[in-house]
Formats: sequence, structure tokens, C-alpha cells
Amino acid sequence: AAGVIQSPRHLIKEKRETATLKCYPIPRHDTVYWYQQGPGQDPQFLISFYEKMQSDKGSIPDRFSAQQFSDYHSELNMSSLELGDSALYFCASSLGGAQRFTDTQYFGPGTRLTVL
Amino acid sequence: AQTVTQSQPEMSVQEAETVTLSCTYDTSESDYYLFWYKQPPSRQMILVIRQEAYKQQNATENRFSVNFQKAAKSFSLKISDSQLGDAAMYFCAYRSGDNNDMRFGAGTRLTVKP
Repeated sequence: AAGVIQSPRHLIKEKRETATLKCYPIPRHDTVYWYQQGPGQDPQFLISFYEKMQSDKGSIPDRFSAQQFSDYHSELNMSSLELGDSALYFCASSLGGAQRFTDTQYFGPGTRLTVL
Repeated sequence: AQTVTQSQPEMSVQEAETVTLSCTYDTSESDYYLFWYKQPPSRQMILVIRQEAYKQQNATENRFSVNFQKAAKSFSLKISDSQLGDAAMYFCAYRSGDNNDMRFGAGTRLTVKP
């Protein structure tokens, strides 16, 4: 079965640079979520989108922005990178509509971002 | 705000035996969903099992089952006939029934001894 695809899998950036992470949800899934998992920590919810609109916002820094496109893929844009942004970034997807708050979230493999 | 607590940072089990991982949560909501996710060394987050709060029956998926005690706000995971491939970090997660924010516990690292 098709899974959530994230690219790139690994990314190395310098401080103050920008980074863009991409997420391609499971086919027919129209809801996308972004999580940040720091070293030795549990995943923290950043933001979610349903039908190309932001649906919930968590602990996403103002330096980060995200959007969902017409094909339902999503991009997380990170600017003015800091050392503390080094983490594993997960994207998850689920069915939307009436099920968007109840359907299980399926996670992608994650993008490991290292900020030097 | 909802919180999820996993009080066992590490657990170990002998292969083929049974182990139970604990999870408690705090909420004032009546509509919510609970999950156990497994994160092996590959760091992939894999869904293990899901429980709807409105269901009294405990969820079961093959060797994995939960003991959901709604009044006590407890949601433990039982792994039967443990296998080497079960070794991973296990996260308990809570999701409200009316938003997309999912809260995770700190995780329990499970070691399976041959």
C-alpha cells in the first residue's frame, strides 16, 4: 500500500539559511499534519491542513510557514534556521471530510534536518 | 490542556513473553481517541493500535491489545509473545475528537531479549 512520502530524507543547512520540506500524502488523503521531534523527545504538533486550508496550529515558530497545494501535497518552509531547529520532521496524513478529526494519522518516514 | 504520561522510560521483556506498557492521560473531554505508535531504530512512526473513547471494548490487533480504563484515564498496551522485531520506542498518543492536535507521551523504550 502507498505510504506518506517525504523529501528530502536528510537535509543539512547552515544557521540563518532557509529550508523547504515536502510531504506527499497517501492517495485520497486530504489532511496533512506536520510534527517536529527533537533528539530524545516526543513528536510535537506544528500545524495541519485540510482541503488546502490551515485547520489547526500547534507550536510552530513564526519563522516557519506551511501550505497545502491543489494536489494535497504540503510544504513546510523554514527560514532563519537556528541550531535548535535540528530535528526529525514528520508529516502525517489522514482522510478528511467528516472523518478529519477521527481518522488515524499515518506518518511518513521523516526528514532529518541538521542545522550547523 | 491534555497531557499524556508514560511513567516507564524503559522496559525489557524476554522473547516470547508478555509485557505491558503503561500510559495515563488527563482530559476533560468526552470525545477523544487514543493510539499507540511504535518507533523502531529507523525512526519511522508506525501505528500499532487505536482506541475510540466511546467504545467500551478494548482494541486488539493480533499480539497487541490494550486495557482501556476510561474512568481511571489509563490506556496500557499489552504485547504478547514478544518478538525481537518489537524492540522499539513506544509512544502513547491522545487526540481530541474536535481538532487535529495529537499529543504524545514521552515514550517507553522496549528491549526484547533473546
